[in-house]
Amino acid sequence: NAGVTQTPKFQVLKTGQSMTLQCAQDMNHEYMSWYRQDPGMGLRLIHYSVGAGITDQGEVPNGYNVSRSTTEDFPLRLLSAAPSQTSVYFCASSSGTVQNQPQHFGDGTRLSIL
Amino acid sequence: DAKTTQPNSMESNEEEPVHLPCNHSTISGTDYIHWYRQLPSQGPEYVIHGLTSNVNNRMASLAIAEDRKSSTLILHRATLRDAAVYYCILSDPLNFGNEKLTFGTGTRLTIIP
Repeated sequence: NAGVTQTPKFQVLKTGQSMTLQCAQDMNHEYMSWYRQDPGMGLRLIHYSVGAGITDQGEVPNGYNVSRSTTEDFPLRLLSAAPSQTSVYFCASSSGTVQNQPQHFGDGTRLSIL
Repeated sequence: DAKTTQPNSMESNEEEPVHLPCNHSTISGTDYIHWYRQLPSQGPEYVIHGLTSNVNNRMASLAIAEDRKSSTLILHRATLRDAAVYYCILSDPLNFGNEKLTFGTGTRLTIIP
């Protein structure tokens, strides 16, 4: 079972570069989310989607864009990378609202911005 | 959102039961109690969740106090693989449009061989 797959696992960028973090799930889940985790801190929600064609902002959306053209994929785009975006990024999916359904997480993308 | 309080760290011996406490004195009547864990260099992993009654699954048991102001995650027989940070999280399904689970700093569980 693949579950939630994130690529790449590691990436180093220069300030000002753009890139897309990929996330795919094979569980036919409607809900998908992106979090970031900084050292010693809990996860913070960046953007989420409750279905194809629907996205919304989380608590730290600035500097990131998302789209949801299919149920399976939920890419996260960094428009112009900044050192403050150095973090570990996790994608998650669930069959329904995270308020009462389990979330399934990927193994993360470790991103460094120089 | 109602807050949870967990010890920063705990230690337990391998092959013994582990009881991880969580206090949530401001819990509302519709809040679910979730537990996730995060192993080193991995994403969080769902463990268990419940509302009022005690819950069991293949990974753990969740014991919820009668007044719901506290709960305990029980690992029945700890293995080295259970060393992780454990997060106790409250969520309210009636909080429409809020798709955020608040992961605090959790409890870092160390298993002693």
